[in-house]
Amino acid sequence: EPEVTQTPSHQVTQMGQEVILRCVPISNHLYFYWYRQILGQKVEFLVSFYNNEISEKSEIFDDQFSVERPDGSNFTLKIRSTKLEDSAMYFCASSGSGVWSGTDTQYFGPGTRLTVL
Amino acid sequence: AQKITQTQPGMFVQEKEAVTLDCTYDTSDQSYGLFWYKQPSSGEMIFLIYQGSYDEQNATEGRYSLNFQKARKSANLVISASQLGDSAMYFCAMTPNFGNEKLTFGTGTRLTIIP
Repeated sequence: EPEVTQTPSHQVTQMGQEVILRCVPISNHLYFYWYRQILGQKVEFLVSFYNNEISEKSEIFDDQFSVERPDGSNFTLKIRSTKLEDSAMYFCASSGSGVWSGTDTQYFGPGTRLTVL
Repeated sequence: AQKITQTQPGMFVQEKEAVTLDCTYDTSDQSYGLFWYKQPSSGEMIFLIYQGSYDEQNATEGRYSLNFQKARKSANLVISASQLGDSAMYFCAMTPNFGNEKLTFGTGTRLTIIP
């Protein structure tokens, strides 16, 4: 069964450093997302991406964040200058094959745990 | 804006019993989708079940069913014949329309199945 994959599973970085989190969405999906979950809290939407551009972003997704689809398979989240409060689990998700089935469920990757020291 | 409320932070249920996890939602949208996800201790988010706002029948997927009461704006998850492997966090979520837009999540319910 197709699945979303994410690398690395765990990333430790120093405050102020840049990090890039990588995702490979399900191959025939057209919509891509990043969410984050601070330890013990609910999952929060960061950004959605469709047709090579951001379709929606939350207030969390400020200028230090960026997303890119550098080729036909990868989808990346870059945090330019990490802060302590960026420590969280980051989930990539994808949906929408273009064939309507009554719903376009978002399928999540296993997550990248980011720890900022 | 859409909002999801899950009022049960934790639940303990005896193995093989049925369990209902509560979810209420608030939206001014006429078209929306409701989802339940399971998050085991390993951390991944596993899709369980979906209900569209125009679906007249409650959704079912194996041991999972969604008790959809549109007038009450509730979308409770029912797990029949609970198993030890059902112990996890359960999140209710919704999107405008029926997907392909941002998911808004509730705070989750931690379900523990007792042998």
